[in-house]
Amino acid sequence: NAGVMQNPRHLVRRRGQEARLRCSPMKGHSHVYWYRQLPEEGLKFMVYLQKENIIDESGMPKERFSAEFPKEGPSILRIQQVVRGDSAAYFCASSRESTGATFSGNTIYFGEGSWLTVV
Amino acid sequence: GENVEQHPSTLSVQEGDSAVIKCTYSDSASNYFPWYKQELGKRPQLIIDIRSNVGEKKDQRIAVTLNKTAKHFSLHITETQPEDSAVYFCAAPYSSASKIIFGSGTRLSIRP
Repeated sequence: NAGVMQNPRHLVRRRGQEARLRCSPMKGHSHVYWYRQLPEEGLKFMVYLQKENIIDESGMPKERFSAEFPKEGPSILRIQQVVRGDSAAYFCASSRESTGATFSGNTIYFGEGSWLTVV
Repeated sequence: GENVEQHPSTLSVQEGDSAVIKCTYSDSASNYFPWYKQELGKRPQLIIDIRSNVGEKKDQRIAVTLNKTAKHFSLHITETQPEDSAVYFCAAPYSSASKIIFGSGTRLSIRP
C-alpha cells in the first residue's frame, strides 16, 4: 500500500518561472493538505483540499499560488513567477474523509516532500 | 486566533534521561493531538497521537498527556537514545474545517 507520493522530489527554477508540485494521496484518502517548510523552520499550513473542492486556503499567499485536487489525478500546487523566497520544502499530507458533525481529527500522513530551489 | 505554541525550541538531554516537550492550543473544540518526528531532510512521521477522550497514552518509551481544561498536551520520552535526536512537532486541528496546525518545533539533541 503506497504512501503519499510527491513529485518531483527536487526542483530548480529560475526567478520568474513556474513551479508545479504534484501529490497523490494514500489509497483510500480523499483529503490533501499542503505545508511549506523553510530551512530550520516549522510546518506552515497552506491549503486543505478534498476532491474538486478547496476547504481552506487561508494559509496560501493570495498571489502567485494556487492549488487544486481534480476528480482524477493528483493534487497540484502551482507557484507562478517564482522568487527566491519561495525556496523551501513543500510537504503534502493526506487523510481519510472526515465523518460526523464534529471534526474528530483524522490522522494525516506526509509525503517525502518536494524541495524547490529558486536561482 | 489559530495557534499552537510549543516549548522549548531546543532541548539537550543526557542519553538515558527523560525529555519533555509541551504544547498549548487555542481552539477549545480541538479533540485530536498528534506528535510528529522529523529527521534532517526527511518527512515528518507520526510517532504518537491522543484523542480527547483519554488523558494519557503510552507506547514503549513515548507517552503523551492531555489536559483539556488547561488546553495543553505534552510529549514524554524516557530512557532517551541517540536515535531520538530530531525535531519534534506537536499539532492540533483548528476550526470546523479541521485543518491541522503545527507547533514551531523542538530540536531535541541527545548527548552521549
